[in-house]
Amino acid sequence: DTGVSQDPRHKITKRGQNVTFRCDPISEHNRLYWYRQTLGQGPEFLTYFQNEAQLEKSRLLSDRFSAERPKGSFSTLEIQRTEQGDSAMYLCASSLADGVQPQHFGDGTRLSIL
Amino acid sequence: RKEVEQDPGPFNVPEGATVAFNCTYSNSASQSFFWYRQDCRKEPKLLMSVYSSGNEDGRFTAQLNRASQYISLLIRDSKLSDSATYLCVVNKFSGNTPLVFGKGTRLSVIA
Repeated sequence: DTGVSQDPRHKITKRGQNVTFRCDPISEHNRLYWYRQTLGQGPEFLTYFQNEAQLEKSRLLSDRFSAERPKGSFSTLEIQRTEQGDSAMYLCASSLADGVQPQHFGDGTRLSIL
Repeated sequence: RKEVEQDPGPFNVPEGATVAFNCTYSNSASQSFFWYRQDCRKEPKLLMSVYSSGNEDGRFTAQLNRASQYISLLIRDSKLSDSATYLCVVNKFSGNTPLVFGKGTRLSVIA
């Protein structure tokens, strides 16, 4: 399968714990995006990378959130000291940077905070 | 004003019906427009890009009106398998920048 891959698919954790999610983009895609989606809402942008450079961070991305893409391939999103409000689906997407290219999404990681 | 606004529905239509969804966006700098389809508890999947000249893909037709900042999606001859949430999506700025999603319009096609 050459699509966007996310791991884990589901994560259940207690409030206050740290969690880390991984995204492997489509191999030739140099842009990688993180979005968050809660029930009844469309996905909301969190941050994105071009290669290893983080180009933009949404104000939704509080200090407890950090994302990296150290070698310009896979990316990780870490949430520290999780809160109930962090429960959501975390979606990763990738695209080429040139022109107008659609973004392709992974299956997402569903986070549930107990 | 929300960046992308859609009627949340639900739209409940019989098989074979024609259904239209509308969407407005607030950022006149947006250059790229899409419709994505999302099934329950699944990731969004690109349905089609939307071009100024309008475009058609089988039973699906998308239209863009830049002056009114309005996007539409028409589905003809609805199938049961069309039941999903349809997300209107624009990019923030020109080029391949982050996407801004509407809340989605839920469609149920009934036998």
